[in-house]
Amino acid sequence: EVQLLESGGGLVQPGGSLRLSCAASGFTFKNYAMTWVRQAPGKGLEWVSSISGGAGSTYYADSVRGRFTISRDNSKNTLYLQMNSLRADDTAVYYCAKDRNSLTGFDYWGQGALVTVSS
Amino acid sequence: QSALTQPASVSGSPGQSITISCTGTSSDVGAYNFVSWYQQHPGKAPKLMIYDVSNRPSGVSDRFSGSKSGNTASLTISGLQAEDEADYYCCSHTSGSTPYVFGTGTKVTVL
Repeated sequence: EVQLLESGGGLVQPGGSLRLSCAASGFTFKNYAMTWVRQAPGKGLEWVSSISGGAGSTYYADSVRGRFTISRDNSKNTLYLQMNSLRADDTAVYYCAKDRNSLTGFDYWGQGALVTVSS
Repeated sequence: QSALTQPASVSGSPGQSITISCTGTSSDVGAYNFVSWYQQHPGKAPKLMIYDVSNRPSGVSDRFSGSKSGNTASLTISGLQAEDEADYYCCSHTSGSTPYVFGTGTKVTVL
């Protein structure tokens, strides 16, 4: 059974940093691209960042480029999202998701991690 | 990259069929057959319902179907049931600066 378990969410002040983790199990982690998607309170889904299976390629939304860094440790089956210079509009539930296959959608999602940016 | 356009809400009675549209551009929906649809119940994670425009993952009811014409993709729910009441989002690969873009989301209400 595929499982994705996010951790690391919490309350952080504007300008602060936070690192999210997503522990994966039930599939061959290194063979699949992984993605972070966020959802601000009461709002829709927003694609944030993706990383290829071998970590050789990374992609970012314009809203987070230069502030967020996606990475993965295939030996630990874990996906990360390092978030720096956080702003109030980064407040959201952050989901990690497994890419079904290249570009074809996200077939498994974690339960989400809430990040609140507030003073 | 602008979000794909979906109607804010769609409603129908039990047993009826409804269709949700997802309008993009020639750089995303119109350019690729990489449109997916997600169902999200309140407080829950999204669930993949359709991938590659019209394919259903194992376990998804055949009451859900997808199609595309030009720059607009559509999700049809047939035989509407109370459990179908949820938010629905489309997503497309894009040739823009980012590889994916989501739709604005549609709230489906079962009357």
